[in-house]
Amino acid sequence: DTEVTQTPKHLVMGMTNKKSLKCEQHMGHRAMYWYKQKAKKPPELMFVYSYEKLSINESVPSRFSPECPNSSLLNLHLHALQPEDSALYLCASSRTGPPDYEQYFGPGTRLTVT
Amino acid sequence: AQKVTQVQTEISVVEKEDVTLDCVYETRDTTYYLFWYKQPPSGELVFLIRRNSFDEQNEISGRYSWNFQKSTSSFNFTITASQVVDSAVYFCALTWNTGGFKTIFGAGTRLFVKA
Repeated sequence: DTEVTQTPKHLVMGMTNKKSLKCEQHMGHRAMYWYKQKAKKPPELMFVYSYEKLSINESVPSRFSPECPNSSLLNLHLHALQPEDSALYLCASSRTGPPDYEQYFGPGTRLTVT
Repeated sequence: AQKVTQVQTEISVVEKEDVTLDCVYETRDTTYYLFWYKQPPSGELVFLIRRNSFDEQNEISGRYSWNFQKSTSSFNFTITASQVVDSAVYFCALTWNTGGFKTIFGAGTRLFVKA
């Protein structure tokens, strides 16, 4: 199984809502990542979890809150988002911690904040 | 400063043509890793290749080949006999671990292959 799954595929939320994005992998990978990708732009790294510990937070606003309950699961909790947070949110995993191993990406969650 | 430049924003070719996507990088680190990813319209990035800074060996995988030259800080990607299914955005990425893991992607090259 070389798949990273993400749910939901699409999400529309208001600025006062609380929602969560979910990411799952069953490849035994020990590093997981969240990226944000705006239209026609490259992905931008948000968070890295290595062995279930948050190792990188790229100065992401606190309205984004990551969580890694176990080695297979990664969540991104969203609260009080702004319209400019609308983007494709990509999850990825790699065999061990960065930087050398290739990342396997999920299909993303397309988020619209109204 | 660390940087990845993909100068070609869009390339359009006819099926069966060969096409080269350029990637130039800047880094202060001696240990770093370079990657190419493909992003089809479905949105999911697909890993294509990884190279570390100590391995300048070129690689061929089917119709894909990569040319890594440290002397010119380039890591170019060639598709031979392009096919419509190759239509996608291709990203070159640089990662390093000085002061913590960092990764940056180039702006991407959108490849259109027409039948």
